[in-house]
Amino acid sequence: GENVEQHPSTLSVQEGDSAVIKCTYSDSASNYFPWYKQELGKRPQLIIDIRSNVGEKKDQRIAVTLNKTAKHFSLHITETQPEDSAVYFCAASRPRGAGGTSYGKLTFGQGTILTVHP
Amino acid sequence: SQTIHQWPATLVQPVGSPLSLECTVEGTSNPNLYWYRQAAGRGLQLLFYSVGIGQISSEVPQNLSASRPQDRQFILSSKKLLLSDSGFYLCAWRRMGAVALFFGPGTRLTVT
Repeated sequence: GENVEQHPSTLSVQEGDSAVIKCTYSDSASNYFPWYKQELGKRPQLIIDIRSNVGEKKDQRIAVTLNKTAKHFSLHITETQPEDSAVYFCAASRPRGAGGTSYGKLTFGQGTILTVHP
Repeated sequence: SQTIHQWPATLVQPVGSPLSLECTVEGTSNPNLYWYRQAAGRGLQLLFYSVGIGQISSEVPQNLSASRPQDRQFILSSKKLLLSDSGFYLCAWRRMGAVALFFGPGTRLTVT
């Protein structure tokens, strides 16, 4: 099955700096890569996602890049703010397979604790 | 718009007691539904998923079970809780034909 590795496990930056979190995946058939932000005690929230037919996607201060050849994707947060502090999870999903049973089953990385110091 | 509910929000149960967690989705039909568990604030482990009423797939062997008695209702159960069942239980849904997955508010379970 799919295996997703996420690095670093913790990341500490100063307010205004950039933060980069990287994930690698093992299944070359995976074609959907979301990122979630989870604040303490809350549910994971989808913040950005990318499909394998594009290499980069941006939404204001966050961006995700995908390298299909190398099977890795990254989350970039620019101009970090203290409210960006949270745990960030990457995930990967295969497309709809025979019978559709593999569609939507996300395999998550282990998470990155991001701390933004004022 | 779609809304997902989970209850209870928190639960403290003794070892060996039964468990029933409920998840309901509003504003959509035929959703795919998922139960995830998160231990120690890190890592999301898929426990069960369902593509329709009465259709349950289990991802990991354990003393938990799931049921989907109605289209928008997903229940997680156990006959006898273990200490290792403690964690944050998250229900998630995905619209039929879409890829994005959305999580419910979660139930924090402590087994004592």
